[in-house]
Amino acid sequence: DAKTTQPNSMESNEEEPVHLPCNHSTISGTDYIHWYRQLPSQGPEYVIHGLTSNVNNRMASLAIAEDRKSSTLILHRATLRDAAVYYCILNSGGSNYKLTFGKGTLLTVNP
Amino acid sequence: DTAVSQTPKYLVTQMGNDKSIKCEQNLGHDTMYWYKQDSKKFLKIMFSYNNKELIINETVPNRFSPKSPDKAHLNLHINSLELGDSAVYFCASNPSGQRGNSPLHFGNGTRLTVT
Repeated sequence: DAKTTQPNSMESNEEEPVHLPCNHSTISGTDYIHWYRQLPSQGPEYVIHGLTSNVNNRMASLAIAEDRKSSTLILHRATLRDAAVYYCILNSGGSNYKLTFGKGTLLTVNP
Repeated sequence: DTAVSQTPKYLVTQMGNDKSIKCEQNLGHDTMYWYKQDSKKFLKIMFSYNNKELIINETVPNRFSPKSPDKAHLNLHINSLELGDSAVYFCASNPSGQRGNSPLHFGNGTRLTVT
């Protein structure tokens, strides 16, 4: 799987928007961009994914650069419950399908 | 109605023992996985099964033996436990069609402590 680069940590205030960046300069044409998060003492939780177009769901929005070499996960109004490690992962599927998790970004949300 | 459930949640055992962790998913998925998260919090894939057939084995010691009695279950048996096996083990599943476009659903993990 292609590599992604994320900041080690970010901080936000409650009820403010959060923009979590991810660089993936070696992305291939078939790679989907997936985001997961892991709350303390829980398993990773799927957040959102996309291929080329920006995506919205009830949890977040995903903005994908036109060249697809970077993307941004947007939490529109951070809550304390959003404090977690956020992972940006490239996923090409295929017969040897596996997700490779990096270190992720630890998001701290201040009350 | 937990989607991916693992048992037990905590497992404390001594070196040299043999133990099993069970995983069940009720999502109708045909692919299941085992991931290991070590003390540094890195998540690494260990195995994946598709319709009871092993498709990924990531150079895991052969003391670890996954068993899939049916596509809804993937159990992990560990022989001769070592201190370095202490970690959190996560089970996951997803449908095999269009895998790149298909999110993984994870269980809440089994924290294994080997003393």
